Amino acid sequence: DSGVTQTPKHLITATGQRVTLRCSPRSGDLSVYWYQQSLDQGLQFLIQYYNGEERAKGNILERFSAQQFPDLHSELNLSSLELGDSALYFCASSAAGTNEKLFFGSGTQLSVL
Amino acid sequence: GESVGLHLPTLSVQEGDNSIINCAYSNSASDYFIWYKQESGKGPQFIIDIRSNMDKRQGQRVTVLLNKTVKHLSLQIAATQPGDSAVYFCAESQAGTALIFGKGTTLSVSS
Repeated sequence: DSGVTQTPKHLITATGQRVTLRCSPRSGDLSVYWYQQSLDQGLQFLIQYYNGEERAKGNILERFSAQQFPDLHSELNLSSLELGDSALYFCASSAAGTNEKLFFGSGTQLSVL
Repeated sequence: GESVGLHLPTLSVQEGDNSIINCAYSNSASDYFIWYKQESGKGPQFIIDIRSNMDKRQGQRVTVLLNKTVKHLSLQIAATQPGDSAVYFCAESQAGTALIFGKGTTLSVSS
């Protein structure tokens, strides 16, 4: 168990809908990262937050947004969903904000039908 | 452009053998490298990491080797066990920027 908690584990929704994925980092970790994993693209970095502030952005679509709350949990919001958004979404955390030794949660499997 | 890749998408070994999983990277400025193991239905699990000022680092049954001259990274697993069956990813980072992951090697261990 990595100590990173993600909910829900599975999400099935329809095109055009909006969903929210939730992540609680390991106790004491200030950084939260979101990654998307699909068969053809592998693990793609989406966005990083450090102590409530956005630190870095990767290949995140404009339809997607995220935030980190004062208690350090984070939410990833996906809107106007398309079939191609179906993927595994992982949250990871680390103590510092240096992209080293990330600990990953078990992921949310999103299926857009 | 930057890319991290693995030489072989699959590797099959017998239980008890040593396994070597290879990874080539293209960014000579990368200064941090890390290996993850991902089992079916789970998130990537940290195995071992290494900085560019080192060429070898050992953990429990695992060794990571870094050859900066040819931009090559390898993960050696000693006495491979069925529980080591998983997908293995290498990833690189430059100056603390986001980890870039390779596409992974599937290790199958038969007993």
